Amino acid sequence: DTGVSQDPRHKITKRGQNVTFRCDPISEHNRLYWYRQTLGQGPEFLTYFQNEAQLEKSRLLSNRFSAERPKGSFSTLEIQRTEQGDSAMYLCASSLRLFVGAGANVLTFGAGSRLTVL
Amino acid sequence: KNEVEQSPQNLTAQEGEFITINCSYSVGISALHWLQQHPGGGIVSLFMLSSGKKKHGRLIATINIQEKHSSLHITASHPRDSAVYICAVRRGGADGLTFGKGTHLIIQP
Repeated sequence: DTGVSQDPRHKITKRGQNVTFRCDPISEHNRLYWYRQTLGQGPEFLTYFQNEAQLEKSRLLSNRFSAERPKGSFSTLEIQRTEQGDSAMYLCASSLRLFVGAGANVLTFGAGSRLTVL
Repeated sequence: KNEVEQSPQNLTAQEGEFITINCSYSVGISALHWLQQHPGGGIVSLFMLSSGKKKHGRLIATINIQEKHSSLHITASHPRDSAVYICAVRRGGADGLTFGKGTHLIIQP
């Protein structure tokens, strides 16, 4: 396992189209996070999963955004009816949380999926 | 005011200099992360700490929970250390990180 993989690395789409990003975390990691980063800014938290359960969603995640992790392994982030403001780098990260009450281990980030909406 | 503030925003130094990047936060946290982001976007986690001090090679991270402040130090800086360094906090009771805007570091030969 070579780390967190994200696909595609770059996506250019027209406004109004739907896009989907995929993240494959480190195989033994039970936590998976999605972040968004716009130019010149730090990343912003979108959502995270523990196994297949989506435990937290940011208010940044409008109803056009949906994330899934159906089998507790890979995750997809879909953006419907894209807008120009959705242009950003979408980052996925994973970590391992060993038991309830334990802090998560250090995050491992993927290289990101850059979205450009024309 | 952002919950996580970093300073300086930009830093240019000569090779060999001792570098300090500061992070202040205004919320209760359970952990603080220092991350390194290279051009192209790849992010590497450097440290996760909730108290005291950690050292890895030429990098040292400290945190003062009472003062809500953390510092990242780089000793004997090298041009390959040039990157954006990002501070991020995990708020108590939550799990998603809140990030600072980053410090853009350039080390000149």
